[in-house]
Amino acid sequence: DTAVSQTPKYLVTQMGNDKSIKCEQNLGHDTMYWYKQDSKKFLKIMFSYNNKELIINETVPNRFSPKSPDKAHLNLHINSLELGDSAVYFCASSQVKDMVGGYTFGSGTRLTVV
Amino acid sequence: GENVEQHPSTLSVQEGDSAVIKCTYSDSASNYFPWYKQELGKRPQLIIDIRSNVGEKKDQRIAVTLNKTAKHFSLHITETQPEDSAVYFCAPPPGTYKYIFGTGTRLKVLA
Repeated sequence: DTAVSQTPKYLVTQMGNDKSIKCEQNLGHDTMYWYKQDSKKFLKIMFSYNNKELIINETVPNRFSPKSPDKAHLNLHINSLELGDSAVYFCASSQVKDMVGGYTFGSGTRLTVV
Repeated sequence: GENVEQHPSTLSVQEGDSAVIKCTYSDSASNYFPWYKQELGKRPQLIIDIRSNVGEKKDQRIAVTLNKTAKHFSLHITETQPEDSAVYFCAPPPGTYKYIFGTGTRLKVLA
């Protein structure tokens, strides 16, 4: 059983399109995240949700809209895609209490905007 | 503010040698110090962590040491093997709901 699963794994799309990435975790964690990893491998937090509530929005353009229907799911919708959105997007989850155990990451979604 | 730096950014070692990666952070609220390993094309995975009430922790060939006064912690890999080649990230959490990842260290183990 995959602990944190993301779909799709690859996404190639044209500029201006709208796309979504889905994430689900079966670990019973209370917090989920979206991270963006650019070509230089920097991992930057985008959003953090705790029990379906948005906790952190790290100055991400409002073309990016996360949605958490329940604490096991966190989806990411991106409007009007731009070339600079090309990156690998990782979903992750953790149990926030004590912040012990770190993150469990999904396998990533490689987004290419052409 | 939150500032996490790793050094070196790249490291090449001969198989069997040791590798040390240092992580320096600025937020004194950090109390949990993990290291992640990301192999090419894969997800980052937690490999070792330490809490602030402990100075050192070892797990087979990897160890983490913490100097909370100086605000840095280090990853030590002994008897390196080609499969240790990867990008390594530290990620001390400055607050409850997020981790700030370090800038990453690309380790190459030469056979």
